[in-house]
Amino acid sequence: DSGVTQTPKHLITATGQRVTLRCSPRSGDLSVYWYQQSLDQGLQFLIQYYNGEERAKGNILERFSAQQFPDLHSELNLSSLELGDSALYFCASSDGGGNQPQHFGDGTRLSIL
Amino acid sequence: AQSVTQLDSHVSVSEGTPVLLRCNYSSSYSPSLFWYVQHPNKGLQLLLKYTSAATLVKGINGFEAEFKKSETSFHLTKPSAHMSDAAEYFCGGSGGGADGLTFGKGTHLIIQP
Repeated sequence: DSGVTQTPKHLITATGQRVTLRCSPRSGDLSVYWYQQSLDQGLQFLIQYYNGEERAKGNILERFSAQQFPDLHSELNLSSLELGDSALYFCASSDGGGNQPQHFGDGTRLSIL
Repeated sequence: AQSVTQLDSHVSVSEGTPVLLRCNYSSSYSPSLFWYVQHPNKGLQLLLKYTSAATLVKGINGFEAEFKKSETSFHLTKPSAHMSDAAEYFCGGSGGGADGLTFGKGTHLIIQP
């Protein structure tokens, strides 16, 4: 058990809709990262928050946004969903910068019908 | 810019024989490198990390990796494969500012009985 909790485990919705994925980091970790895993794109870094502030952006679409709350949990919001957004979305947390290992949750599987 | 290349999409070995999973990196900066394992329907579990200390890194479950700057490689090895090692393995790196990990496309390890 990594200590990172993601909800929900599965999400099925339709094109054009909006969803929110939730992540609770390991106790004490200030950094939260979001990744997307798909068959064609592999594992891609989306965005990082550190202690409530956005710290780094990767290949995140403008339709996607995230935030980290004062209790350090984070939410990833996906809007105007397209079929190609179907993927596994992972949250990871660490206690510091890029040289610290990231601990991954079990992911949210998003299916767009 | 940071990039990570896993040289084999699939590796098949017999139980009890050595495992070698290859990873090359390119980075303008001294990288931090990680190996993760992903079992079906699970998140990524950290096997080991390199962060510019010892070049030979020991991880969990008998895995180890050697950082070779001259070859820009960080190959993962295990002396004797076990059936439970069958999984997807990802090499990832960070460096150059953004703390999100850049991952290779993964290597699917198959263990033959």
